[in-house]
Amino acid sequence: ILNVEQSPQSLHVQEGDSTNFTCSFPSSNFYALHWYRWETAKSPEALFVMTLNGDEKKKGRISATLNTKEGYSYLYIKGSQPEDSATYLCAFSGGSNYKLTFGKGTLLTVNP
Amino acid sequence: DADVTQTPRNRITKTGKRIMLECSQTKGHDRMYWYRQDPGLGLRLIYYSFDVKDINKGEISDGYSVSRQAQAKFSLSLESAIPNQTALYFCATSDGVQPQHFGDGTRLSIL
Repeated sequence: ILNVEQSPQSLHVQEGDSTNFTCSFPSSNFYALHWYRWETAKSPEALFVMTLNGDEKKKGRISATLNTKEGYSYLYIKGSQPEDSATYLCAFSGGSNYKLTFGKGTLLTVNP
Repeated sequence: DADVTQTPRNRITKTGKRIMLECSQTKGHDRMYWYRQDPGLGLRLIYYSFDVKDINKGEISDGYSVSRQAQAKFSLSLESAIPNQTALYFCATSDGVQPQHFGDGTRLSIL
């Protein structure tokens, strides 16, 4: 069973704060690293799929970096807003892109 | 209309009953997946399928079975439900390149 760890487990920030969290994954046999955003009572929605070491992706105020050699990815949110409150999931695929192993997620709460 | 539709959205049933959860998609994806989510745990893969009649076990397949008789449909069955199968179940689809696309989930409670 592959080990995909996310930290912290939960995070409370104030509106306007910038924040980041970590996903660590096996550094061998890497294929892709996915980030998903999951709001309560909704389905997980894809944010990024990252495949190359050193990759950096951005969508609005959210960005992510990838280090496949040391097996970690960071997700950054700049100027957090209450609507950013959600669970952020990372998922690792090794060998090919057909099967994902998910971390337990980081629950972000942004207080107005 | 949703691209990935799960039915039912909520179900409460008793121990020992047979349950079927349905998933249908309009995305034309070959790959379909069933996951369960429990509080404090990540999404765990139950079964997946790459094509019609192709079935593969995931991480936690015991107590479950699936059927893929058409490209657009992937059903999950609990032959004899037990309380520790109470969970939130998600279906997802993929074309193997893009990220997985999830349904809205089925909340299943087994008493």
